[in-house]
Amino acid sequence: GQNIDQPTEMTATEGAIVQINCTYQTSGFNGLFWYQQHAGEAPTFLSYNVLDGLEEKGRFSSFLSRSKGYSYLLLKELQMKDSASYLCAVKDSNYQLIWGAGTKLIIKP
Amino acid sequence: DAMVIQNPRYQVTQFGKPVTLSCSQTLNHNVMYWYQQKSSQAPKLLFHYYDKDFNNEADTPDNFQSRRPNTSFCFLDIRSPGLGDAAMYLCATSRAGDADTQYFGPGTRLTVL
Repeated sequence: GQNIDQPTEMTATEGAIVQINCTYQTSGFNGLFWYQQHAGEAPTFLSYNVLDGLEEKGRFSSFLSRSKGYSYLLLKELQMKDSASYLCAVKDSNYQLIWGAGTKLIIKP
Repeated sequence: DAMVIQNPRYQVTQFGKPVTLSCSQTLNHNVMYWYQQKSSQAPKLLFHYYDKDFNNEADTPDNFQSRRPNTSFCFLDIRSPGLGDAAMYLCATSRAGDADTQYFGPGTRLTVL
């Protein structure tokens, strides 16, 4: 079966750095997405990785290792508004998006 | 400017009373998706349209139907809502070939009484 694993919940301090990991086992790979979802709202697109390496976009960076079936989302200079769930999703060989259940990130002052 | 619009944002219906949720987009994307998401769970794909081609997920109950009358609009019909259908319903769009990044509407939260 296809599986996306992420921690259920993480806590970090305002101003700090946090890394959210995602491991996947899918039938094929055609890209990995990270989305941010605030409580009661829709997911918003953060990043897309299809090649190995680090993609940086402002305070957020995303890393991919296809050989390890692994990605992480790195958030720097955390702000209170970063409190949200972060969903990892992988596009499989059929171009279907397989979603993780999300990591709830709690930011404390 | 809203790009994927869902109406209503909140919908309350009674057990067994049909309900229709709507989605419209100004992105001119050729693919549209309907997801169901329950609290602290991953979004679950119900179906998607590639242009006019309808693709139903194997485990989507028959209780759920969809219509896409044109590129901009897509509807989700729940014929006989049960208590287990209470959830957030998310509409998303993508442009095939553009990494297929999906852009979501704000969602409709459905309550079944």
